[in-house]
Amino acid sequence: NAGVTQTPKFQVLKTGQSMTLQCAQDMNHEYMSWYRQDPGMGLRLIHYSVGAGITDQGEVPNGYNVSRSTTEDFPLRLLSAAPSQTSVYFCASSYSRGDEFPYEQYFGPGTRLTVT
Amino acid sequence: EDKVVQSPLSLVVHEGDTVTLNCSYEVTNFRSLLWYKQEKKAPTFLFMLTSSGIEKKSGRLSSILDKKELFSILNITATQTGDSAVYLCAVGLDYGGSQGNLIFGKGTKLSVKP
Repeated sequence: NAGVTQTPKFQVLKTGQSMTLQCAQDMNHEYMSWYRQDPGMGLRLIHYSVGAGITDQGEVPNGYNVSRSTTEDFPLRLLSAAPSQTSVYFCASSYSRGDEFPYEQYFGPGTRLTVT
Repeated sequence: EDKVVQSPLSLVVHEGDTVTLNCSYEVTNFRSLLWYKQEKKAPTFLFMLTSSGIEKKSGRLSSILDKKELFSILNITATQTGDSAVYLCAVGLDYGGSQGNLIFGKGTKLSVKP
């Protein structure tokens, strides 16, 4: 299993450009999420999905869109990049274990995004 | 507002020392508390705690939860330079469609000197 994969690893954008960060998992996990990590801020939830076709907003959703057309993929779209979106982005996924669903999250390697 | 507070924010020790990292929380609908280790890349899972007073142990690392006082500690005994990392505490919530969401603290940066 490849686990959770993310592409690209690094990206530089100019203000106003759009792009999609890719996330895929091969563990058949139902739950997937996107976090951003800024220095001294810990991880903050952007969007999440509890299954194909279902998405919802997290703590910091503004400026980002997501979709979940398949169980495996959960892309994050930046609509019009801003310098405030310079961050490291992590995708995570989790499986269901009945009453313990779905907290042991597996993280991808991250995408370092710089917006100039 | 749900929040998770970790202390200290940074810590420098020498190899062989024992350290205790703290995590306190104020959340509605608590479900579980998790510890992760992050070494310049993706966080890796250490422990998940759901019940008070039951210690979870893995080698030199151990953790315990106090749901009455709303905190958890992560202990590392006989520290090694390889323990140098940021340790993240996260709380899982338990309501509606947000069951999977985690609220993270800002982390404790541990540096272990030889």
